Amino acid sequence: EVQLVDSGGALIQPGGSLRLSCAASGFTFSTNYMSWVRQAPGKGLEWVSLIKNDDSTFYADSVMGRFTISRDNSKNTVYLQMNSLTFEDTAFYYCVREVGNGWFDPWGQGTLVTVSS
Amino acid sequence: IVMTQSPDSLAVSLGERATINCKSSQSVLYSSNNENYLAWYQQKPGQPPKLLIYWASTRESGVPDRFSGSGSGTDFTLTISSLQAEDVAVYYCQQYYTTRRTFGQGTKVEI
Repeated sequence: EVQLVDSGGALIQPGGSLRLSCAASGFTFSTNYMSWVRQAPGKGLEWVSLIKNDDSTFYADSVMGRFTISRDNSKNTVYLQMNSLTFEDTAFYYCVREVGNGWFDPWGQGTLVTVSS
Repeated sequence: IVMTQSPDSLAVSLGERATINCKSSQSVLYSSNNENYLAWYQQKPGQPPKLLIYWASTRESGVPDRFSGSGSGTDFTLTISSLQAEDVAVYYCQQYYTTRRTFGQGTKVEI
């Protein structure tokens, strides 16, 4: 079974840092593109970042320069390092596998990041 | 690419048709393969989104055939032909034409 397990969410103060992890299983992780998508409480979906299987990375403008996506193929894990967090970064963060040319399946269960003083 | 869905919400009677529109700010039709780089997702309360359709009209395995996608270029539609109680959810379109993927704002479907 293809599965993604997100973790690392927490309550963090503005300006702080946090690293999210996503453990993948059930598929050949190293050959897949992986992304993070977030959803503020009660709001819509926002694509955050993509890492391709060649380790090239891409970011939404809202997180460029503050967030870093990375992967460890030996651990079947993708990470999202988040620095200089602001209130607007409060959201559920979902790890997703990109399939085909860029649709998302499956989705992790989500991990909640709350930025609050 | 900005994705705009309409309406923001709609209420449909059980067994009736629900239609959701999605418009992209530029074409997501890739000329080299004549495919539209557009997907649809369903999100039920307290759950992560679930893939319904990709390539604008290809139903994901296991998705009931009452769900269908259509459209090309910049204008797309998700249709639920006969609404069931379990279809109450928020539906999102997503383009994957550009590396920076983007979603529509979502459409809430209620009974």
